[in-house]
Amino acid sequence: EVQLLESGGGLVQPGGSLRLSCAASGFTSSSYAMSWVRQAPGKGLEWVSAISGGGGSTYYADSVKGRFTISRDYSKNTLYLQMNSLRAEDTAVYFCAKGVAVLTGTSFDYWGQGTLVTVSS
Amino acid sequence: EIVMTQSPATLSVSPGERASLSCRASQSVSSSLAWYQQTPGQAPRLLIYGASTRATGIPARFSGSGSGTEFTLTISSLQSEDFAVYYCQQYNNWSPYTFGQGTKLEIK
Repeated sequence: EVQLLESGGGLVQPGGSLRLSCAASGFTSSSYAMSWVRQAPGKGLEWVSAISGGGGSTYYADSVKGRFTISRDYSKNTLYLQMNSLRAEDTAVYFCAKGVAVLTGTSFDYWGQGTLVTVSS
Repeated sequence: EIVMTQSPATLSVSPGERASLSCRASQSVSSSLAWYQQTPGQAPRLLIYGASTRATGIPARFSGSGSGTEFTLTISSLQSEDFAVYYCQQYNNWSPYTFGQGTKLEIK
């Protein structure tokens, strides 16, 4: 059974940093691209970042480019999102989502339950 | 960036009736279109991919149609658990992936 479990969210001041983790199980992580998708309170879904199955290709939304870094540790079956220079508008629930192929550019067939990031002074 | 527009924003339908939700892309996305269902406090769930293929375990009352720029999600006979928010997502010109703003399906 595929499971994705996010952690690392919390309250952080503007300009601060946070690292999110997504522990994956039930599938061979190197065979699938992964993404982070966020949802601001009461709002819709916004894709944030993606990484290919092999980890060699990474992609970012313009809103986070230069501030966020996606990575993955295959030995731990874990996906990460390092978030720096956080802003109030980054406040959201962050979901990790599994793609259906090793390359990016597909739908997401499994999602974690999300972790809440609140950026506030 | 491809803009996805869903309509209506809110749809009120009675249980047992049929619901049709629309999604329009600002340019062609071929059949690279997915639909997701989200209930309050939960993660999105994949319903349809490739515009018309049901994901694993999705009931047959859910169907998707369309290609290019116009897409429809149809729920043939609404059950109580179907009242939720529905999002479309394009992954054709995928960087960035873009989602519609959502359609809230509520009980009439």
